[in-house]
Amino acid sequence: DAGVIQSPRHEVTEMGQEVTLRCKPISGHNSLFWYRQTMMRGLELLIYFNNNVPIDDSGMPEDRFSAKMPNASFSTLKIQPSEPRDSAVYFCASSDSATGEQFFGPGTRLTVL
Amino acid sequence: ILNVEQSPQSLHVQEGDSTNFTCSFPSSNFYALHWYRWETAKSPEALFVMTLNGDEKKKGRISATLNTKEGYSYLYIKGSQPEDSATYLCAFIVPGTASKLTFGTGTRLQVTL
Repeated sequence: DAGVIQSPRHEVTEMGQEVTLRCKPISGHNSLFWYRQTMMRGLELLIYFNNNVPIDDSGMPEDRFSAKMPNASFSTLKIQPSEPRDSAVYFCASSDSATGEQFFGPGTRLTVL
Repeated sequence: ILNVEQSPQSLHVQEGDSTNFTCSFPSSNFYALHWYRWETAKSPEALFVMTLNGDEKKKGRISATLNTKEGYSYLYIKGSQPEDSATYLCAFIVPGTASKLTFGTGTRLQVTL
């Protein structure tokens, strides 16, 4: 398996633009997590899904952020409109229920100018 | 709010030194504790998933112990090598979720020749 795949790897955009980050979890994993890494707050969980259903979105910063998981092999995290303070590395991770061990993707480095 | 605390925040050792760091977590309603290794410019990689009080796990020169009654886990590295340089994160499964992790801020280890 190729592991968790994220795209794009880097995104530079201007304030106010819509940004969509994409994630393909490991096949067979039933949980998917979106994290954000910042200098100030470290690694923080934004939202997670079990069996494609959002379970906990309490970490989503505000209404500008939304996430979907239309099927078991794809998820998106959308920011609309984007702001400079959204600049961070966004990680997607997936896990199966057997071990709970999370496998992280390579991350998307987002820069909002 | 669940507090997962790690100490020290950073550590600088010489090649060949053995070292250890601590993760403290709430001892009530324990489910599982994870250790991750995070190299600069990469994504976190799971080292151990620990579930039972008294658990001791080992992977090469790295080992970990778990005390759920008092709420701590130790990570040990024997004979540190420069390639061990990374941030070591522990993460606590939030009670009642089975998969949501709360991460500590990590211990940054630097091993020099």
